[in-house]
Amino acid sequence: SYELTQPSSVSVSPGQTARITCSGDALPIKYAYWYQQKSGQAPVLVIYEDTNRPSGIPERFSGSSSGTMATLTISGAHVEDEADYYCYSIDSNANPRGVFGGGTKLTVL
Amino acid sequence: EVRVVASGGGLVQPGGSLRLSCSASGFIFSNYAMHWVRRAPGKGLECISGISNKGVETYYADSVKDRFTISRDNSKNTLNLQMSSLRPDDTAVYYCVKGWGRLLPDSFDIWGQGTMVTVSS
Repeated sequence: SYELTQPSSVSVSPGQTARITCSGDALPIKYAYWYQQKSGQAPVLVIYEDTNRPSGIPERFSGSSSGTMATLTISGAHVEDEADYYCYSIDSNANPRGVFGGGTKLTVL
Repeated sequence: EVRVVASGGGLVQPGGSLRLSCSASGFIFSNYAMHWVRRAPGKGLECISGISNKGVETYYADSVKDRFTISRDNSKNTLNLQMSSLRPDDTAVYYCVKGWGRLLPDSFDIWGQGTMVTVSS
């Protein structure tokens, strides 16, 4: 079955740039989506179709994709950005079900 | 405002059944696929079931196949998940999620607040 691989944790100081990667064999031809889940809250979409930011998401959140890797970048991370981040995508085999990466715990302190 | 509100969670014994419901508002329900995603304690997100906008196509994770059934009633803006033969590893917060498009495969747009399902004797 298709898998997306993320680092389990990333740690930065406030104001630094955080980069969270997601690797998957189908990412060269399929979009990546990124979701933020803060403790005790429902997930929120922060990046869709590799690079697009929904309305209401701060400009410090950006996405990119190259080859088999998608990257979520938080430029100048804030303490309130501390959360679990999940990438999501679909495979190239007409599977109706997509998959999440294992999630990355971002610590900002 | 686009909203999806899940209900029906609770405590159930292993082998038991439970029906989750999701009430949608603020968008044309029949135009969008809908999904159930869960997060078990200490684990990551898992998309367990989804249904296309007209209900023609569905998917299930292997972990719930043949035990869970997804359905929708577009006349009532309601999504359901019938869960049977529940196991302790089904314990999780279950999220109702509005899809990005009409068909499958799809991605996830607006998430509800989640409903907790606990399977324990």
